[in-house]
Amino acid sequence: GESVGLHLPTLSVQEGDNSIINCAYSNSASDYFIWYKQESGKGPQFIIDIRSNMDKRQGQRVTVLLNKTVKHLSLQIAATQPGDSAVYFCAENMAGGTSYGKLTFGQGTILTVHP
Amino acid sequence: DTAVSQTPKYLVTQMGNDKSIKCEQNLGHDTMYWYKQDSKKFLKIMFSYNNKELIINETVPNRFSPKSPDKAHLNLHINSLELGDSAVYFCASSREMRETQYFGPGTRLLVL
Repeated sequence: GESVGLHLPTLSVQEGDNSIINCAYSNSASDYFIWYKQESGKGPQFIIDIRSNMDKRQGQRVTVLLNKTVKHLSLQIAATQPGDSAVYFCAENMAGGTSYGKLTFGQGTILTVHP
Repeated sequence: DTAVSQTPKYLVTQMGNDKSIKCEQNLGHDTMYWYKQDSKKFLKIMFSYNNKELIINETVPNRFSPKSPDKAHLNLHINSLELGDSAVYFCASSREMRETQYFGPGTRLLVL
């Protein structure tokens, strides 16, 4: 069935370190993946996305890597700052079938950045 | 100039009551969604509307009824509220299906 999971529910880093948040997905039909950041009391905020025809995409201080062979997605945050502390979700989207357009979210990883 | 807005932000009510949550987006998007986030932060889609047409209807009790009066609005009406309905409800919108979804600030519903 469809599922998106995260290896680590919590991640603590020091300010200035690089952070890596991992996500495993099980549905090989998924072809669009998104990372969201959710701060306390707020809605999920789009960070970066990647489609299955790519294996890497970079944004400002963030990089998403996609390994379709092992169905693995990661979010790398460079020079992590205290403002990056939040819950991070990966989400997957399938190309067709009854799940067309439906975002399936992973469990979420709590990132805590210590000054 | 909030992109996706929801009202109310907080909603505390008794079991058995009927309540509505409203959502509006000013992004000109064609597709709108309702998600439920439980106490463990798990986010699950409930409904999706594209151009006022219901596209996604997950396994949600029929006490929940979405209504889209126009492309910019998607409301959620809940009948006979139960304790298990307590959660945070998020509205989202996207330009089209399978485009980036932008979320509202959420409505925190507590059923007593």
